[in-house]
Amino acid sequence: DSGVTQTPKHLITATGQRVTLRCSPRSGDLSVYWYQQSLDQGLQFLIQYYNGEERAKGNILERFSAQQFPDLHSELNLSSLELGDSALYFCASSVGGLNEQFFGPGTRLTVL
Amino acid sequence: SQKIEQNSEALNIQEGKTATLTCNYTNYSPAYLQWYRQDPGRGPVFLLLIRENEKEKRKERLKVTFDTTLKQSLFHITASQPADSATYLCALSQMYNTDKLIFGTGTRLQVFP
Repeated sequence: DSGVTQTPKHLITATGQRVTLRCSPRSGDLSVYWYQQSLDQGLQFLIQYYNGEERAKGNILERFSAQQFPDLHSELNLSSLELGDSALYFCASSVGGLNEQFFGPGTRLTVL
Repeated sequence: SQKIEQNSEALNIQEGKTATLTCNYTNYSPAYLQWYRQDPGRGPVFLLLIRENEKEKRKERLKVTFDTTLKQSLFHITASQPADSATYLCALSQMYNTDKLIFGTGTRLQVFP
């Protein structure tokens, strides 16, 4: 158990809908990262927050947004969902900087 | 273009042998490189981190090397066991953006008895 929690575990929704994925980092970790993993793309970095502020951005679509709250939990919002958004979404946390990341169990999103 | 390449074909080895996995990168200037293990349907688990000024790191049966001239990292598992069967991912972060980890596509290792 990494100490990072993600909800929900599974999510099935339809195209055009909007969903919110939630992540609680390990106690004491200030950085939260979001990744998307699909079969053909591997693990892709989406966005990072550090202590409530956006720190780094990857190839995150404009339809996707995230935020980190004062209690350090984070939410990833995916809107106008498309079939191609079906993937595993992982959250990871770290103390920040040059340190290892601890990954949550992931949320499997299926868009029908 | 920028690439991180790992063997896409699975690596099959016999229990007790040393497994060697390769990670090659192109057009990156990594500050450090990490190796993770991922089991099916689960999140990656951190194994080892090596900085760009380090040549080698060890942890129990694991060893990683980092050659910035060859632009390559090698990951070794000695005395491999069936429980080592998993996908292994390398990831790097760059000098100017150390928080962003860029992952390779991983190599699947299968250790058979």
